Amino acid sequence: NAGVTQTPKFQVLKTGQSMTLQCAQDMNHEYMSWYRQDPGMGLRLIHYSVGAGITDQGEVPNGYNVSRSTTEDFPLRLLSAAPSQTSVYFCASSFDRSGQFFGPGTRLTVL
Amino acid sequence: SQQGEEDPQALSIQEGENATMNCSYKTSINNLQWYRQNSGRGLVHLILIRSNEREKHSGRLRVTLDTSKKSSSLLITASRAADTASYFCATVILNTGGFKTIFGAGTRLFVKA
Repeated sequence: NAGVTQTPKFQVLKTGQSMTLQCAQDMNHEYMSWYRQDPGMGLRLIHYSVGAGITDQGEVPNGYNVSRSTTEDFPLRLLSAAPSQTSVYFCASSFDRSGQFFGPGTRLTVL
Repeated sequence: SQQGEEDPQALSIQEGENATMNCSYKTSINNLQWYRQNSGRGLVHLILIRSNEREKHSGRLRVTLDTSKKSSSLLITASRAADTASYFCATVILNTGGFKTIFGAGTRLFVKA
């Protein structure tokens, strides 16, 4: 199993650009989530999904959209990038309420 | 503010000593989990304790949970230089849609050889 994969690993955007961060898992997990981690800080929940077709907002959802059309994929869309969205983004998945498996992260810089 | 608050923010100890990290949270939880993050990497799940449990052990890890105080602690015994990492608590909260997992700010542990 590849586990949780994220692409790209690194990305530089200009203010106002849009882009999609990809996340995929091959473990047939129902639960998937997106977090952002700013330097020296913990993870903040952006959006999460408890199954295909179901998404919900986390702690910091503004400026981000998600969709969950399949169990495997959970893309995160930045609508109009801002410097405040410079961060490391982690995707995670789990079978249930037990521990999550994390992807390697995407380092995003918005100029 | 985040659901989980951890202290200390940073901890430096000698190899062989024990390391204790604390986590406090605000709302009722289904379970609490601890994760480890090596610099620049994704998080790795360490241990889970359910809301009806008070103590859990896994190898050199011991976790306690006090739901009346809304707090948990992680003890790493006989620490090693390889334990150097950031440690995060995460609370699993039930809601109408299912559940969500909220992380604390973390404790940075440095173990000196």
